Amino acid sequence: QSALTQPASVSGSPGQSITISCTGTSSDVGNYKYVSWYQQHPGKAPKLMIYEVSNRPSGIPDRFSGSKSGNTASLTISGLQAEDEADYYCSSYTTSSTRVFGEGTKLTVL
Amino acid sequence: QVQLVQSGAEVKKPGASVKVSCKASGYTFTTFSIHWVRQAPGQRLEWLAWINAGNGNTKCSQNFQGRVTITSDTSATTAYMELSSLSSEDTAVYYCAREWGISHFDYWGQGSLVTVSS
Repeated sequence: QSALTQPASVSGSPGQSITISCTGTSSDVGNYKYVSWYQQHPGKAPKLMIYEVSNRPSGIPDRFSGSKSGNTASLTISGLQAEDEADYYCSSYTTSSTRVFGEGTKLTVL
Repeated sequence: QVQLVQSGAEVKKPGASVKVSCKASGYTFTTFSIHWVRQAPGQRLEWLAWINAGNGNTKCSQNFQGRVTITSDTSATTAYMELSSLSSEDTAVYYCAREWGISHFDYWGQGSLVTVSS
């Protein structure tokens, strides 16, 4: 199972919006609503930010949103804040009943 | 509160095996699956395997077929991940995570660093 494709890095200024893409195949992202997004700060465990494409767990601000079209899912962060600077990973369920993560995207807040 | 507490750091020689534990508390252990994810230094998250803590069924990534064994002890509310035939490429932080619903992980362990070095 190959990793889902994400851009290596994205950047934005405080207050701006950014979008991170996550491209898979019809065997994972394209076939299921089970796409989630995780934020990871250096030296820390990942944190769930979005589940089932567009749902936010309790406590996650509505600045974070998710969507999906075909084989590509997206995470959008609006009103960027300094504390949003982190690595972001997407994840998907697969037809083999396994899970797969994306390559990871480093977000820099300028 | 939900907690997943993992065993400590390990140093192993190439060819050896390592067993990492994940002690769950704060919820009914058999109601949720536990997944194992690793992260080599400076690298991405990589999914290894999962166990249904209710019935013991397991599934692992093709990348680790034959090398990873996932077990659980319901009386101890603990899941275990054993990886064999270690090489330097297995040096990584290994995480356990609780799966809430399908394919999203709401609680994570603190990570266990496994270093493989001769």
